[in-house]
Amino acid sequence: GAVVSQHPSWVICKSGTSVKIECRSLDFQATTMFWYRQFPKQSLMLMATSNEGSKATYEQGVEKDKFLINHASLTLSTLTVTSAHPEDSSFYICSASKIRDRVSNQPQHFGDGTRLSIL
Amino acid sequence: GENVEQHPSTLSVQEGDSAVIKCTYSDSASNYFPWYKQELGKRPQLIIDIRSNVGEKKDQRIAVTLNKTAKHFSLHITETQPEDSAVYFCAARGSARQLTFGSGTQLTVLP
Repeated sequence: GAVVSQHPSWVICKSGTSVKIECRSLDFQATTMFWYRQFPKQSLMLMATSNEGSKATYEQGVEKDKFLINHASLTLSTLTVTSAHPEDSSFYICSASKIRDRVSNQPQHFGDGTRLSIL
Repeated sequence: GENVEQHPSTLSVQEGDSAVIKCTYSDSASNYFPWYKQELGKRPQLIIDIRSNVGEKKDQRIAVTLNKTAKHFSLHITETQPEDSAVYFCAARGSARQLTFGSGTQLTVLP
C-alpha cells in the first residue's frame, strides 16, 4: 500500500507557459502532501506543505503566486507553476503522509517526480 | 528549524565491503529518521527508518543506529552489491512536522 502517483512525468514547454502537476494518493487518504524541488546532484528542498481544505504553507523564499498549490481532496494535490521561465526548470516531487495535526512518525511516500524543462 | 548534515558526499567501496553514512540533526524534538535511496531520475525510495524510542534497527543487509544524546544517526550497508549504487539521503522529522533532508551521499559499489 501507500502508492503516490504523480503526473505528468516529463514536461517541455515554452517560457511563459503555466504548468500543472498532479499528485494523487492511490490507496490512502493523504491529509498532508509536500512539494519538493530537486536540482541535479542536489538534495530535496521543501517548497510547501499542503493540507487538505486549507491554504498551503510555503517555505521561505518560495513565491506563493508563482507556485500555486491546491489540495482540494484527501487524495489530490496540484502544483501549478505559473508563467514558467527557464530558471524554473527542475525535478519536482510530491510526497504524501497521513500526518495532520500532531507530530507523527508515519512514513512519507514519494511520487515519481516531474521533470520540467522550460525552453 | 531543523538542520541535517550528511557525510560523506561520495563513497566508493568494493563489492562485498560495508558502507557507512552518517548524519547529524539539530532539533532535539525530532523523533523520526528515515533513509531514502534515489536512483538517477527516479523517486526517493524509503529503505529503512527508525523512531526515537529505538537505538538500532536492522533489515537484512541494512541497519540504522540512532544516538539521541549526540543527535546523530547512521546507515550501515553490509555485503554491498553493485545494485546498491545510488544516492542515499537521510532525513529527520522535528517539531515542524516536515522532513528535512541531508545533502545526500553518492554511493558507488565497485565490482
